[in-house]
Amino acid sequence: KQEVTQIPAALSVPEGENLVLNCSFTDSAIYNLQWFRQDPGKGLTSLLLIQSSQREQTSGRLNASLDKSSGRSTLYIAASQPGDSATYLCAVNGGYSGAGSYQLTFGKGTKLSVIP
Amino acid sequence: NAGVMQNPRHLVRRRGQEARLRCSPMKGHSHVYWYRQLPEEGLKFMVYLQKENIIDESGMPKERFSAEFPKEGPSILRIQQVVRGDSAAYFCASSRDQGAGVEKLFFGSGTQLSVL
Repeated sequence: KQEVTQIPAALSVPEGENLVLNCSFTDSAIYNLQWFRQDPGKGLTSLLLIQSSQREQTSGRLNASLDKSSGRSTLYIAASQPGDSATYLCAVNGGYSGAGSYQLTFGKGTKLSVIP
Repeated sequence: NAGVMQNPRHLVRRRGQEARLRCSPMKGHSHVYWYRQLPEEGLKFMVYLQKENIIDESGMPKERFSAEFPKEGPSILRIQQVVRGDSAAYFCASSRDQGAGVEKLFFGSGTQLSVL
């Protein structure tokens, strides 16, 4: 059974700092990995999708890396802003017997607070 | 181009009542997924549907829960005889194709169900 762990559970940083969020998963046979942002009372916004054959994806100030063999992914946020405050979720697609290629397994998230 | 639409945003029910949650996928999407987020837990897959077909309901409780995606109209997640443990945020997602794990899922804003 695939399990996804995110560390730390919460993080508080001053504005302007670069930061790294970590995600680990137990079964490396995944199709892809997605990073989402969840704002209170709102839905999930997909930030980056990394296919199993890729090592990283970039979008603006965000960079996500994937090391499938070690079961790890990191989300790097450069020059953090107060508007980045949210919960960041890591989700892997697949990775256990019988799972369809549509099933996402989520971590519990990292709650980020960027202090002005 | 509207995203995934869920309603209601908030639903309050007393124990024993029925809850109906609706989800309209993005335009052009014919694949719908329901996830549940219990307090302090990660999102968990419940069911995957295509028009008029349930593809995978392995994550859905066997009793009291049902889902449908009719030819016309939104997808419905129905919970009969609700109990306090059903209180959670229910998220719907959609995709254009299932694909081989390459499709990005787009999530709605969720329905927060509170059972009194």
